[in-house]
Amino acid sequence: KAGVTQTPRYLIKTRGQQVTLSCSPISGHRSVSWYQQTPGQGLQFLFEYFSETQRNKGNFPGRFSGRQFSNSRSEMNVSTLELGDSALYLCASSLNTGGRDYGYTFGSGTRLTVV
Amino acid sequence: GENVEQHPSTLSVQEGDSAVIKCTYSDSASNYFPWYKQELGKRPQLIIDIRSNVGEKKDQRIAVTLNKTAKHFSLHITETQPEDSAVYFCAAWNSNSGYALNFGKGTSLLVTP
Repeated sequence: KAGVTQTPRYLIKTRGQQVTLSCSPISGHRSVSWYQQTPGQGLQFLFEYFSETQRNKGNFPGRFSGRQFSNSRSEMNVSTLELGDSALYLCASSLNTGGRDYGYTFGSGTRLTVV
Repeated sequence: GENVEQHPSTLSVQEGDSAVIKCTYSDSASNYFPWYKQELGKRPQLIIDIRSNVGEKKDQRIAVTLNKTAKHFSLHITETQPEDSAVYFCAAWNSNSGYALNFGKGTSLLVTP
């Protein structure tokens, strides 16, 4: 059974650019959540999607957006990149409850470096 | 919103000793508490979870306890081994969180031989 696949694994971008990250959840999982992981702040919730609908959004600026496709694959986009956006972006897949009943299966993450 | 505090931020123990990591939460409506282990360079993985209708849960060398009155929960690892070295995250969920888990900031555990 394939796990959660995130692409790309590593990205280096320049301030002001935009970036798109991709996540393919476990087959049959319809909920995809995104988290930003930084050394000082731990794991911070960005948003959660289920059946192409955003059900929850964290406390991040509007530069952070996402979407989900009919096959449950999800993308997140960050526009006008800032140095502080440098982080590991983790995608979490769950059956349908956003991790609250059975926990998440995380992807390996995309390491974004903004220079 | 929910606020999860985790202590200590770093913990060093000798192999064979026990390790305890504590978390507190602010919203009394929280009812699901998972723990994740993240080894260096790897993804976080769920290792154990507990729901509010249970006070304690064990799985081999790891256990989690929950005190709803005091709003805190703890991870206990007995007979620690070097492969237990990792960052551990606690989390809490309640209906006010929607579909988001609120994570603590993590504890870096080092088990020395």
